[in-house]
Amino acid sequence: GQQLNQSPQSMFIQEGEDVSMNCTSSSIFNTWLWYKQDPGEGPVLLIALYKAGELTSNGRLTAQFGITRKDSFLNISASIPSDVGIYFCAGPGQGAQKLVFGQGTRLTINP
Amino acid sequence: DGGITQSPKYLFRKEGQNVTLSCEQNLNHDAMYWYRQDPGQGLRLIYYSQIVNDFQKGDIAEGYSVSREKKESFPLTVTSAQKNPTAFYLCASSILPGNGYTFGSGTRLTVV
Repeated sequence: GQQLNQSPQSMFIQEGEDVSMNCTSSSIFNTWLWYKQDPGEGPVLLIALYKAGELTSNGRLTAQFGITRKDSFLNISASIPSDVGIYFCAGPGQGAQKLVFGQGTRLTINP
Repeated sequence: DGGITQSPKYLFRKEGQNVTLSCEQNLNHDAMYWYRQDPGQGLRLIYYSQIVNDFQKGDIAEGYSVSREKKESFPLTVTSAQKNPTAFYLCASSILPGNGYTFGSGTRLTVV
């Protein structure tokens, strides 16, 4: 079945650093979604991308829909402690009956 | 305010007992989903429903059962047949199957 591969699996950074993570697939996706999960909570949608090459920002977050439609990137600038959590990429699976999720990137920030 | 509610937040059960997790949404969404998350792991799909009175197995349906008698509600029963039921359970809904999900805040089930 379709799979989304996220990297890195985990990141340990200092407060104030910029963060980059990505998500790749062997098949084409028409939509890319980025979610963040705070510890002990459900994931929350951060950014949705609908067009190849699209670059979208949400505050300090910027995400891009790869031109090949097989990848997407999420960048966080000037990280702060509340950025801690797990970041998931997702896209509609075959038949569009449900979303396919990546394994997540766990972000830890040292103050 | 519209949203999706899971209750309770924490649940403890003895081994061998069935337990039902509640999921209610007032977003008028057609599709609803149940995921399991183990510590440090990603999301694994248990069951999903695209419409009332219909549901499909996900990747790890064994030991679980669901019902979808109302559009707003999609309860999950963890049966005694589930070998490792202790986990964090997440419910989600979407306006159409495959669209972006709205997640609940999760139920942490501990079986002792």
